[in-house]
Amino acid sequence: RKEVEQDPGPFNVPEGATVAFNCTYSNSASQSFFWYRQDCRKEPKLLMSVYSSGNEDGRFTAQLNRASQYISLLIRDSKLSDSATYLCVVGNTGTYKYIFGTGTRLKVLA
Amino acid sequence: GAGVSQSPSNKVTEKGKDVELRCDPISGHTALYWYRQSLGQGLEFLIYFQGNSAPDKSGLPSDRFSAERTGGSVSTLTIQRTQQEDSAVYLCASSFQVSSDTIYFGEGSWLTVV
Repeated sequence: RKEVEQDPGPFNVPEGATVAFNCTYSNSASQSFFWYRQDCRKEPKLLMSVYSSGNEDGRFTAQLNRASQYISLLIRDSKLSDSATYLCVVGNTGTYKYIFGTGTRLKVLA
Repeated sequence: GAGVSQSPSNKVTEKGKDVELRCDPISGHTALYWYRQSLGQGLEFLIYFQGNSAPDKSGLPSDRFSAERTGGSVSTLTIQRTQQEDSAVYLCASSFQVSSDTIYFGEGSWLTVV
C-alpha cells in the first residue's frame, strides 16, 4: 500500500461546480498535511495547509480526518483557472520526509 | 534570496556524461530536499539535508547519484555517467524546519539525456 494515495482522475467538471478530492495516508503518526497545486510543467506550489479543525481559504476548504486517515479538499464555484493537478502531501514530525501523493488532475470546462 | 533558486533550468547532455544541478534555498531554511519527477509521474523523494548533513540517502536511485550541501545553504546534486532514464525534472525544495513546515519549491532543473 502506498503511503499516500490519491485518485488520479481526471475530474472533468463544468465551471461553477463544486468538486471534492480525498487523499488517504497510511502512517498514523503523520502530523502535518498540505495540499499543493501543480500546473503543467511547473513546480508544485502550496495551496493550503490542513489543520485538525479544518480550514477554509476563499473557495477552498480542507478537512482532516485522523480516525480514518484521510484529508480532503473541496473547491466551490470552480473556475477555469482551477484546472491543475492537486497534490496531497503528508509529513511526519521528527522524520524527514514529506510524502507526496501522485496527484489528482482537475479539468474545469467552460 | 526570495525563493528557491535552481540552475541550470534546462540541461541537455549526452549519455555517459556527468551533470551537476545546483540549488540555492530560501535564506534561513535549514532543511533542503531533492525530488525527481518524470513526465506525467509523481514526485520521487531523493534526499534531504538538515544543515549540511544528509541523514538518509536511501532515496537516491543508484550510486551514480550524490548530493552535498555546504555552509548550510547551497546544495549540489551530481549525476555521474548519465543514462536516458535519468531524464526528468529535478526539483529542489526548502523549509524552515524538517517535516513540519511548508516546503517551497524551486522551478526545477529539466534534464534531458540523449
